[in-house]
Amino acid sequence: NAGVMQNPRHLVRRRGQEARLRCSPMKGHSHVYWYRQLPEEGLKFMVYLQKENIIDESGMPKERFSAEFPKEGPSILRIQQVVRGDSAAYFCASSLTGTEGNTIYFGEGSWLTVV
Amino acid sequence: AQTVTQSQPEMSVQEAETVTLSCTYDTSESDYYLFWYKQPPSRQMILVIRQEAYKQQNATENRFSVNFQKAAKSFSLKISDSQLGDAAMYFCAYRSPTTSGTYKYIFGTGTRLKVLA
Repeated sequence: NAGVMQNPRHLVRRRGQEARLRCSPMKGHSHVYWYRQLPEEGLKFMVYLQKENIIDESGMPKERFSAEFPKEGPSILRIQQVVRGDSAAYFCASSLTGTEGNTIYFGEGSWLTVV
Repeated sequence: AQTVTQSQPEMSVQEAETVTLSCTYDTSESDYYLFWYKQPPSRQMILVIRQEAYKQQNATENRFSVNFQKAAKSFSLKISDSQLGDAAMYFCAYRSPTTSGTYKYIFGTGTRLKVLA
């Protein structure tokens, strides 16, 4: 059973370009979470999605950032007009359902570098 | 708002010895979950151990155990018989109960553990 798959693992973008990060949850998981990790810091919550729905986006910047989790295909975190401050590791995680007993499992992260 | 504090930026332990990593948190909720995650140089986040706040018994996973003090809001991780492969960043995390409507995890800033041969 494959784990949470993220791609690309490393992405370099020039200022002003768009970055798209993809996340395929573990098989059977319908809940996806995105976290951002700045250098030497812990993970910061960005957004929580279920299939076709955004449940909690309280951690996501209001501008330039968007996320989706379509009925078919991976979850996408999209950053438009990237700036140097967007350089970070972006982690995706998934869980089976929204019930109490479920732990979330992380992917290996996508490293975005804005030059 | 909930917060998680790890006051030890870095710790060292001799191979085969025992080390304890500290974590305190602040919450007004009574039912929640606590986790320790390990982040090795590969940067992948690996779940080490979890604790449900309603359980009085401390969680244990092989060489890893926790000391959960609910009244003191303390959740320390003990690593016994430390191995070179234990060297990593360790993050303490808090999660609200599902009834709060979200699965937002709050992470501490991490403790870098060095294991000396």
